[in-house]
Formats: sequence, structure tokens, C-alpha cells
Amino acid sequence: DAKTTQPTSMDCAEGRAANLPCNHSTISGNEYVYWYRQIHSQGPQYIIHGLKNNETNEMASLIITEDRKSSTLILPHATLRDTAVYYCIVRVATDTGNQFYFGTGTSLTVIP
Amino acid sequence: DGGITQSPKYLFRKEGQNVTLSCEQNLNHDAMYWYRQDPGQGLRLIYYSQIVNDFQKGDIAEGYSVSREKKESFPLTVTSAQKNPTAFYLCASSITGTGGLRNQPQHFGDGTRLSIL
Repeated sequence: DAKTTQPTSMDCAEGRAANLPCNHSTISGNEYVYWYRQIHSQGPQYIIHGLKNNETNEMASLIITEDRKSSTLILPHATLRDTAVYYCIVRVATDTGNQFYFGTGTSLTVIP
Repeated sequence: DGGITQSPKYLFRKEGQNVTLSCEQNLNHDAMYWYRQDPGQGLRLIYYSQIVNDFQKGDIAEGYSVSREKKESFPLTVTSAQKNPTAFYLCASSITGTGGLRNQPQHFGDGTRLSIL
């Protein structure tokens, strides 16, 4: 089962910041938080990941709380092309490799 | 360009037939993965491989088989034992699944949509 909890859907006005929350209260110390997005009928696209510190790249920023039990993905200036399902994932490391547990994600709609 | 190629994009299977989905990557990644996605749901792991000639079952391996004879290729066979094969199948790869680089993300292909005739 997925180890994260996300809202089912969100709306955001075009040009405004989109803040997507994720709860991962059972995260362990060596697990990373990853964010992907998926546009209909395409493969998931990697956005960003982090362990403890906040991270930023050309696509988004990731804010992780100090206790690591939740995080927020920030799209600073949402465009219509950002409409997609966003997945927050905690990576589970096993003896034979890592596995990604995908939940149902947050469906983000950017409104003109 | 480097990436992951899945083929075909659409595939139709008759009842009782086995079909094989292709996944090729030229990213020089050691680890490869197969996921299944059903409408309105997240991804579920079918099989994964950390290195050539080795692979492990994921959460829903029943009715599927894989091989990893080459680093760049990880084909998935949907057998007749899979009673509900209609789904969107996604292949992914990552630099490695173990060791110090195992935090590196997985990268996905554009999927194969399998339907039953």
C-alpha cells in the first residue's frame, strides 16, 4: 500500500503558485520523498525529490517539514500545461533494491 | 536522445494468448521496473530488475513473466494466467536500485495500453 496521503483534487488559477500537500507520517529516517506528475495517457514525469532539506529546481520547490511527516510541492507560477495528476511518493529501500509506491495522487487543474 | 522506449503504444490480445511488451532504455541504467496502472488508480509494481540476469517479483507478479538478458532491455510477458490484463503498462529505469545512488529517481516510458478483444 502507498505510504502517503494527498488530497484527491485541487484547482489553481493560472499564474498563481500551486501548493500541493502530502502527508507521510510513517516515513523513516532514510526514506526520500519524490514527486512525479502524469498527464493523461503518458508516463509519469519526475519533478523533484528530497530527504530533509528543502529543494528547488527549474520545475518546482519541495518543502519538507522539520519532523519530515509532511511535505509541499510548490509550482511557483502555474500554467495550463501544469494540469496533471501529481504523485507524492516515499521510497522504500529493500535488501534487493528500491521500490516506489504510487497512490492515487492529486489531480491539479489550472484554471485560466 | 537518451530515454526509455516502450512498444507498441497500443496492443490487443485475444483470450488465452500470451503477449510481450517491449521496453528498451539507452540511459545505461542498471535497474528497470514494470508497473501496471488501472483507470483512476496509482501504479502497482509488477517486477523489477537490479542487474542483468536477475529480477524480483513486485506486488502483483501473478500472471506475468519477465527476462533481463541485456542491460538495455526488460520485456514483460502477459500470460494467459493473468485474468484481468486490460491496463496501462509502464516501464521505468533508474541508475541503480542499490548502494549509494539508490536515491536517484526512476524515469518512465510513455506506456503500452493493453486491451482484450
